[in-house]
Amino acid sequence: GDSVTQTEGQVALSEEDFLTIHCNYSASGYPTLFWYVQYPGEGPQLLFRASRDKEKGSSRGFEATYDKGTTSFHLRKASVQESDSAVYYCALRGSHTGNYKYVFGAGTRLKVIA
Amino acid sequence: GALVYQYPRRTICKSGTSMRMECQAVGFQATSVAWYRQSPQKTFELIALSTVNSAIKYEQNFTQEKFPISHPNLSFSSMTVLNAYLEDRGLYLCGARRQGNQAPLFGEGTRLSVL
Repeated sequence: GDSVTQTEGQVALSEEDFLTIHCNYSASGYPTLFWYVQYPGEGPQLLFRASRDKEKGSSRGFEATYDKGTTSFHLRKASVQESDSAVYYCALRGSHTGNYKYVFGAGTRLKVIA
Repeated sequence: GALVYQYPRRTICKSGTSMRMECQAVGFQATSVAWYRQSPQKTFELIALSTVNSAIKYEQNFTQEKFPISHPNLSFSSMTVLNAYLEDRGLYLCGARRQGNQAPLFGEGTRLSVL
């Protein structure tokens, strides 16, 4: 079945550091890929999505590029802030018609120290 | 704006008892509602997907007998955790989708603790 792998379980950075969170997926065809952010005590919020090879999604300074060749959708931000501390989830929705199932990665907890 | 409201936010139940949680789509009509569980130290597990005019589809390891779901209209869904035990504790999330390929909008979840 479809799956999403996030390499980093936890990341600790200082403010203004560069962030990369790795996300690789396994699915047939062209799944739609998502990044969600979850703050403490809240439900996950959609950051952005991408559905075609080489498409770049971006929001709030975060970005990721759909790469079918490497089956990746790595999350990056040039300069993190303390307010970015949260758990980030990579997710996919399969490309099959009528497929409404979303598969989430294990999540990466980001802690940014001021 | 569109949002998803879940109630209650937190609940505690005794082992072996049941607990019902609700999900309300506000400002839009939810053509499908997915219920997820986020157990301690784990990611989101899909419990079931309820789509208008279709039967509710449960994922492996989750059954209607344990997690009965009601989806009576396009703005409301409820799920009950029957005979709750320790392994059922966690954050239960409702993700509601509008038509088309829009990403689901999640509520803030119902956190279930079992004593």
